[in-house]
Amino acid sequence: EIVLTQSPATLSLSPGERATLSCRASQSVSNQLAWYQQKPGQAPRLLIYDASNRATGIPARFSGSGSGTDFTLTISSLEPEDFAVYYCHQRRNWRTFGQGTKLESK
Amino acid sequence: EVQLVESGGGLVQPGRSLRLSCAVSGFTFDNYAMQWVRQAPGKGLEWVSSISWNSGSIGYADSVKGRFTVSRDNARNSLYLQMSSLRAEDTAFYYCAILNSGYDFDYWGQGTLVTVSS
Repeated sequence: EIVLTQSPATLSLSPGERATLSCRASQSVSNQLAWYQQKPGQAPRLLIYDASNRATGIPARFSGSGSGTDFTLTISSLEPEDFAVYYCHQRRNWRTFGQGTKLESK
Repeated sequence: EVQLVESGGGLVQPGRSLRLSCAVSGFTFDNYAMQWVRQAPGKGLEWVSSISWNSGSIGYADSVKGRFTVSRDNARNSLYLQMSSLRAEDTAFYYCAILNSGYDFDYWGQGTLVTVSS
């Protein structure tokens, strides 16, 4: 089983600031990593697939990078609606999710 | 419009069984692998099971292996999860989903709550 470890667990920032979220895999997942956003009471929404491809309708302020075992989700300038929980997810070997990073407003 | 609608959740005693269903519409069901993902209240996402388009490839998380069985009926556009020997730690919202597989096609149902308690 591939374990995904996200950091930090909680990130406190203000609107307009840059957010950097990390995801580390216990073994290489190549580029087969996605990022999801989840807000309370909602199903997760796909933001980024295959490490760096934005899903349809996702604003350009969201970007993903990395390959192998280390990945980053960057939100260039936080909007109020971006405060949520973010999960990374691999499809290299079956499926697993990271434990999540809560992005909260400072 | 793609729709995934889960049903079958509810309150069940430890050790008992429950069967979840997911009815899908708006896309060609037998072209896609499907997954079950769960989320305990206030906790993170946990992949539960995957099934390929033709049921030829099936996988489970270690936490449910040997207790849960996934299946699909392509003629009925339906996905199922048979859960047996249920435990308190299986309490969660269960989502039926088409997770991205290298392309931008990713959809989730609204989830159905399974509560395992005496």
